[in-house]
Amino acid sequence: GAGVSQSPSNKVTEKGKDVELRCDPISGHTALYWYRQSLGQGLEFLIYFQGNSAPDKSGLPSDRFSAERTGGSVSTLTIQRTQQEDSAVYLCASSLDGASDEQFFGPGTRLTVL
Amino acid sequence: GNSVTQMEGPVTLSEEAFLTINCTYTATGYPSLFWYVQYPGEGLQLLLKATKADDKGSNKGFEATYRKETTSFHLEKGSVQVSDSAVYFCALRKDSGNTPLVFGKGTRLSVIA
Repeated sequence: GAGVSQSPSNKVTEKGKDVELRCDPISGHTALYWYRQSLGQGLEFLIYFQGNSAPDKSGLPSDRFSAERTGGSVSTLTIQRTQQEDSAVYLCASSLDGASDEQFFGPGTRLTVL
Repeated sequence: GNSVTQMEGPVTLSEEAFLTINCTYTATGYPSLFWYVQYPGEGLQLLLKATKADDKGSNKGFEATYRKETTSFHLEKGSVQVSDSAVYFCALRKDSGNTPLVFGKGTRLSVIA
């Protein structure tokens, strides 16, 4: 079956612009996670959704970052007024539910802020 | 807080060599432990896991044992292949569920023929 998909695969933007990243989880998966993979920093957690609600936003690095999920499916991560330090690969993962151990990852969106 | 420390790479081995990638963790309670692998051009995928002390996770010839006394979860494989070239991430998840993964920084493995 279809895995987690993300779009766009690559995004180049200018400093100060807003960007929107999209994640389509595996059908039927109620839990959805956003992570960021930066060079030398490894993978860091950003936000977690259970259904449409986000019980854990603790990883969002600043108020320029926000995310929403509608219909318990697609999620968008929005970064406002992008900065060069936002350049990274943004990964989305889904799991059957919040208690499930295995998270299934998408291919990521590579964001480059010039 | 919870954290994972894994050996820095890159690690370069010849085919059929023995592999060890060290991973230690800091966590309260009894976390579940994981190894994820990222092959070139692909997304992260679960390689193996262990959910309690002394459990051994295994898959594709890789093994890792949950050692609570040393807070470690080292990844081993007896004979690596070129196709094992990838980035390997050690991760933990707190035991309370509904929690994200906490990852190490990843170790790049290159296996040469």
